[in-house]
Amino acid sequence: GIQVEQSPPDLILQEGANSTLRCNFSDSVNNLQWFHQNPWGQLINLFYIPSGTKQNGRLSATTVATERYSLLYISSSQTTDSGVYFCAVDDGATNKLIFGTGTLLAVQP
Amino acid sequence: KAGVTQTPRYLIKTRGQQVTLSCSPISGHRSVSWYQQTPGQGLQFLFEYFSETQRNKGNFPGRFSGRQFSNSRSEMNVSTLELGDSALYLCASRTGNYGYTFGSGTRLTVV
Repeated sequence: GIQVEQSPPDLILQEGANSTLRCNFSDSVNNLQWFHQNPWGQLINLFYIPSGTKQNGRLSATTVATERYSLLYISSSQTTDSGVYFCAVDDGATNKLIFGTGTLLAVQP
Repeated sequence: KAGVTQTPRYLIKTRGQQVTLSCSPISGHRSVSWYQQTPGQGLQFLFEYFSETQRNKGNFPGRFSGRQFSNSRSEMNVSTLELGDSALYLCASRTGNYGYTFGSGTRLTVV
């Protein structure tokens, strides 16, 4: 099955700094999503981005499907950005998401 | 539009008991899938239902089962609970080939 790797596993930033999170996947995908898991456990959808580039406020994401990676950019980070960021993919045939192991982000004031 | 609703939010059960969790998808979404999250194994796929039919199942023992009703609401059941079943159980719904939307989860503790 498809393997999903995220890097870095942990990241500590000062408020106001920028960061880039990476997601590599091992095969063609039909769907790629970035999620932020809040302290209560809910997975908040940030981007549905099987290819191309999208922006939403201080966050943006780029997926290069031909090279099998996606990047999540966080600019001017705030303490509320802290939490775990997951990348998840599905191949379009199995109707399931395969998650990476996540990046734990801590933004310090 | 209401989101994905999972009930209950928290549960404490004793080993050997069984438990039923509920998930109501976004209106109009016919696909419902379930995931288990533990610190050791991360997020793992349990099963997916579409129009009352299970289309895919993850690598979990038969103690884990589910079903979907005609209104697309889904339940999952875990029988003969073990300590290792303690986890956050997340439900997601989707329509077509678009993205998945997750509920707030049910945190199950087995003592």
